[in-house]
Amino acid sequence: DTEVTQTPKHLVMGMTNKKSLKCEQHMGHRAMYWYKQKAKKPPELMFVYSYEKLSINESVPSRFSPECPNSSLLNLHLHALQPEDSALYLCASSQEPPNEKLFFGSGTQLSVL
Amino acid sequence: AQSVSQHNHHVILSEAASLELGCNYSYGGTVNLFWYVQYPGQHLQLLLKYFSGDPLVKGIKGFEAEFIKSKFSFNLRKPSVQWSDTAEYFCAVNAPTQGWGKLQFGAGTQVVVTP
Repeated sequence: DTEVTQTPKHLVMGMTNKKSLKCEQHMGHRAMYWYKQKAKKPPELMFVYSYEKLSINESVPSRFSPECPNSSLLNLHLHALQPEDSALYLCASSQEPPNEKLFFGSGTQLSVL
Repeated sequence: AQSVSQHNHHVILSEAASLELGCNYSYGGTVNLFWYVQYPGQHLQLLLKYFSGDPLVKGIKGFEAEFIKSKFSFNLRKPSVQWSDTAEYFCAVNAPTQGWGKLQFGAGTQVVVTP
């Protein structure tokens, strides 16, 4: 299994909603990532987890809350988002040592109304 | 802060033509370099990567890239493109001393190959 699976594929939410994005991999990777990609723009790193611990937070607003319950799962909890947060949210994973190949999921297309 | 520049935003070429996409980065220290591709409707995939050693690296699907340290460049090439190479191509850089996992992408180049 060389896939990173993200659910849901599409999500529409209001600014007062609370929702979660989920990411799963079964490749034994110990690093997992959240990226945000706006239309026609490159992916931008949000968070990095290493061995289930948060190692990088790229000054992401607190309305985005990541969680890594175990080595295979990565969640992104969303609360009180703004319309400008509408984007494709990509999950990725990689083996140790770092800087190896990132495997990306297909993403969750999020629309905030 | 490091930056990654891709020279062309859109490239249109015919099948069998040669392709070269430019990528320059600004960081002066040791870097790891990547080219990713995103086919229409699909997720990002790694084409090739350079960490050290031979500066000419070969990737999947006939792509290769050359690392020229003196020019801070990592240009992607393919001698003869196919229609199926239509995709968006991203150059990416990681500077390990700035924190592994911080992969910074260029703006991307949309490549359209016409039959």
